[in-house]
Formats: sequence, structure tokens, C-alpha cells
Amino acid sequence: SQQGEEDPQALSIQEGENATMNCSYKTSINNLQWYRQNSGRGLVHLILIRSNEREKHSGRLRVTLDTSKKSSSLLITASRAADTASYFCATEGYGGSQGNLIFGKGTKLSVKP
Amino acid sequence: DGGITQSPKYLFRKEGQNVTLSCEQNLNHDAMYWYRQDPGQGLRLIYYSQIVNDFQKGDIAEGYSVSREKKESFPLTVTSAQKNPTAFYLCATTGVSGQPQHFGDGTRLSIL
Repeated sequence: SQQGEEDPQALSIQEGENATMNCSYKTSINNLQWYRQNSGRGLVHLILIRSNEREKHSGRLRVTLDTSKKSSSLLITASRAADTASYFCATEGYGGSQGNLIFGKGTKLSVKP
Repeated sequence: DGGITQSPKYLFRKEGQNVTLSCEQNLNHDAMYWYRQDPGQGLRLIYYSQIVNDFQKGDIAEGYSVSREKKESFPLTVTSAQKNPTAFYLCATTGVSGQPQHFGDGTRLSIL
């Protein structure tokens, strides 16, 4: 079952612009994670934000989490052509499913030079 | 170099044939996962193992089988019962819950 839903499904921007991707989920979570996937490759972890955190930064990445709205956003500032990839959110729950991730369908980002 | 190795990168299956995808890790992680990814889709969990000699079904286990005889290895067999096996298969590991998963570079399986 898919819990996370990313929005938009696809995003095309120019180099230097900011890119914002959103993720909504349905049930309570332990944490929410963002991953990046280049075409034909495995996923690479970007940021993990725990349920008691509201915002995290890593370089040009900023992630927010609103547990009351069950939503998260990933902001990539000053985008580069090398940021072109698919971005996925994934949620980790509690209890027996702890450790397991439920992935959304992803946002395909295209950054044009 | 610590990491996860999936092989082969490309695999072709004939009608009625079982094929096995390899996943090896040297990260000393306890938990290992197999996911299936279809074009334009997210990842769906096939099987996972949190400890040697134990594994659990995920959301789409039908037509697949796994073993976990060693901590480093978690092979996935796509059986002839899986009628639509064409997909990109990803293996992942994690040390403890609440930590990110580390992914291999995937195996692309196609039907001959």
C-alpha cells in the first residue's frame, strides 16, 4: 500500500530557480525520509526528519514536516542541472512495521541549463 | 569500500523459468529489503528480513521467494508463478529502525 503521495508528479525549471516538492501521507509516522533517484540507478538518501521535528536543512535542501496536516515539503534552492532526478518521500511507522518504509510515487524534476 | 552489490545489472527470463537476483552487503546491517519498481511508480516492498534465518512477506510477495542464510546475503528468486515480472528490482539495507536505508543499483528484469 502506498502512503506518501508526492505533488507535483513532474516539475520542470531553469537552473538557478528553486524547486519545491510536496508529500502527503495518511497515518501516524515515526519519521519521514526523502530520497533521490537518478535514471536507472538506486535511491540515495537525502534527509530524514523525525515526527517531533518541524524543519531540517542540509546544504541546498530544506525539509519541513507538518504532522497536523500529515504533509512534508522538500525545497531545493539554486537548482543545478545535476539535480535532475526523481525524488521520493518515504514514511516509517511504529510497532511491527518499524524499520519498513512506505514510498510515494515520486516527483520527476528536470532542471534545464 | 562499504556498500551493497546487486547482480546482475540486467536479467532476462524465459517462460516458466525461475531466476535469482543477488544482493550482497558489507555494511554489517541486520535488516535487508527487496523492492519492485515499475515505470513511473514508487517502490513496493516484496520481502524483508530483520535477522538471519528470518524473513517476512511485504505487500507483493506472491510469485517471489527469498532466503537469509547469511547476514551479508539476501537473494530474491522470481518464480514462474510471477506472471508479470518485468520491473526494476532494488535491494536495500539498514542497521537499525529509524535510520535511512541504503540501496544497491538495481537489477532490471525483462521477459524473453
